[in-house]
This record gives sequence, structure tokens and C-alpha cells, in this order.
Amino acid sequence: ELKVEQNPLFLSMQEGKNYTIYCNYSTTSDRLYWYRQDPGKSLESLFVLLSNGAVKQEGRLMASLDTKARLSTLHITAAVHDLSATYFCADGGGADGLTFGKGTHLIIQP
Amino acid sequence: DTEVTQTPKHLVMGMTNKKSLKCEQHMGHRAMYWYKQKAKKPPELMFVYSYEKLSINESVPSRFSPECPNSSLLNLHLHALQPEDSALYLCASSQGDSNYEQYFGPGTRLTVT
Repeated sequence: ELKVEQNPLFLSMQEGKNYTIYCNYSTTSDRLYWYRQDPGKSLESLFVLLSNGAVKQEGRLMASLDTKARLSTLHITAAVHDLSATYFCADGGGADGLTFGKGTHLIIQP
Repeated sequence: DTEVTQTPKHLVMGMTNKKSLKCEQHMGHRAMYWYKQKAKKPPELMFVYSYEKLSINESVPSRFSPECPNSSLLNLHLHALQPEDSALYLCASSQGDSNYEQYFGPGTRLTVT
């Protein structure tokens, strides 16, 4: 059974601060996905990490993948209010569908 | 064009009704998916269609019946649902290769009364 565990599940932080969300997964997969979901909305793809050591950055978000540790991180730099959302990591993909972590509910306060 | 469309956006149905959810994509994707998302929970996979054939059914009750009429369309037929089936139903599509992300539609918010 695939397991994807995220922590923390809830994070309240101030604007301008840095923080990291962690995602552990149980398979030997070499790829990992990050999605963002705003309240009442659908999921938006943020990153697709396709190999060990992969690092991708978009604005204030940076994601990395360590397949040996079965760990992915999503780092937030100098947080701004617009980044408030729920962030999901997911394993699987392709014809297998995705298995999501429980999500990290992120609130960024002025 | 990376858009997946879903209709209707909202649906309220009684337990004896029959209704259908529709999903469409024109990206040439070969895999399409249905997910169910309850409030404050992650999406859960229900069905996967690969090349228009059902490849995964995650032990979903028979009151949910998927259909893939062609490579661009995916339906979810609903019959005799229970109030606990109320949720956001998300459709997604991908090229079918795990090198690529899944694109999600806006979802149908279903309420069963």
C-alpha cells in the first residue's frame, strides 16, 4: 500500500519568513509531484520531480527530491500572503493515478 | 491549452436520482482519472482510464459507474447515492506517462440529500 506522509499538516507563519514542508513516501518511485489547492478550488500543478537530486524552483517556492531517503521538500522563501493555500505532495502518476499526502494547510500572516 | 473542463459545477441530487458528471479535455491526453475529495481531506483516486479502457477501479461502490466514450470525454454516472457521497469530484488527465503531471478540472461539488 502506497503511503505518503506530509508534515507539518498545519503551518501558520509570518510574511518574510522561510519554512520547509516535508513529504515522505513509501514506494521506490523516482518521481514526486507537488500541487497547490486554494479554498473551494481545484488542484494546480506546481512541480514534477523526476529523478534523485532533482531541484525545481518557481518564484518563492523550491522543491527537491531525495529518492534514497524517499523524501521530498517544498521550501518557501520570504513568504508572502498570496502563498496561503493547502499544499499536497503526491506519489504514483501515469497509469497508476496519484496517491496524495494529507496536505499542509499554510496560512501566511502579515 | 491545458484545460480540463467539468460540468456541472454544482449538483444537488436525491438518493433516488440518476445523474451524470462530465469531463472533457482536448490536450490529446491518453489517461483520464476520477478523484473524490471530501472536505479538508486529500483527493482519493476512484478510477483510471488508459487509452479509453478502464485500468483501475479502486473498489468504488457500483452506484458510481464510469464511462469513457472517446479519448476526450469521461463520464461518471451516479445512481442511488448516499449522503456520505457528497464531495468534490475531480477529473484529471495526463499523457499517461508518469513523467508528466496530471491536469485537474475545476471539479463538481456534489450534494446528496
